[in-house]
Amino acid sequence: GENVEQHPSTLSVQEGDSAVIKCTYSDSASNYFPWYKQELGKRPQLIIDIRSNVGEKKDQRIAVTLNKTAKHFSLHITETQPEDSAVYFCEANPSGGYQKVTFGTGTKLQVIP
Amino acid sequence: KAGVTQTPRYLIKTRGQQVTLSCSPISGHRSVSWYQQTPGQGLQFLFEYFSETQRNKGNFPGRFSGRQFSNSRSEMNVSTLELGDSALYLCASSATGHLYGYTFGSGTRLTVV
Repeated sequence: GENVEQHPSTLSVQEGDSAVIKCTYSDSASNYFPWYKQELGKRPQLIIDIRSNVGEKKDQRIAVTLNKTAKHFSLHITETQPEDSAVYFCEANPSGGYQKVTFGTGTKLQVIP
Repeated sequence: KAGVTQTPRYLIKTRGQQVTLSCSPISGHRSVSWYQQTPGQGLQFLFEYFSETQRNKGNFPGRFSGRQFSNSRSEMNVSTLELGDSALYLCASSATGHLYGYTFGSGTRLTVV
């Protein structure tokens, strides 16, 4: 089955700086990679996703890059703001939609004003 | 449109009891998945139902079970509760499954005393 490792577990950045969170996966059949943001006391929310036929996807201040050869994908947040403070989870999904869901262990991002 | 609705929001049970949690997915979504979230273990996949059939199951004991009804609403049952079952139980729905990301409910906070 799929194994997803996420780093770092905690990350503190100054407001305005960039933050990068990286996930590595084991199953080469994985082809869908969403990222979720979970603010304290709230539900996880899908913020961006990428499929294996694309190397990079951007949505305003957030972007995700995928390296299928190395089996890793990263979340990039630019110009961080205090409201970006949350726990971020990555996920890797093998094709077919009939596989177990595997999440990374989460990264707690703190943006210091 | 309405989001994913979970009931109840909070629940306190004693060891040995059983509990049933409910999840109503977004209208039109046929896939419902359940997750356990704890500070130490992060997000862990319990199982997924699609069109009333369990499609995937995580590594949880048989005390954890679920079902899905014809209207896609799902229930999760935990029997013989243990202290370690205290967690936030999240439900998420998707139109077809993992390949399009999930929309999460607010969760049910279960405390076992």
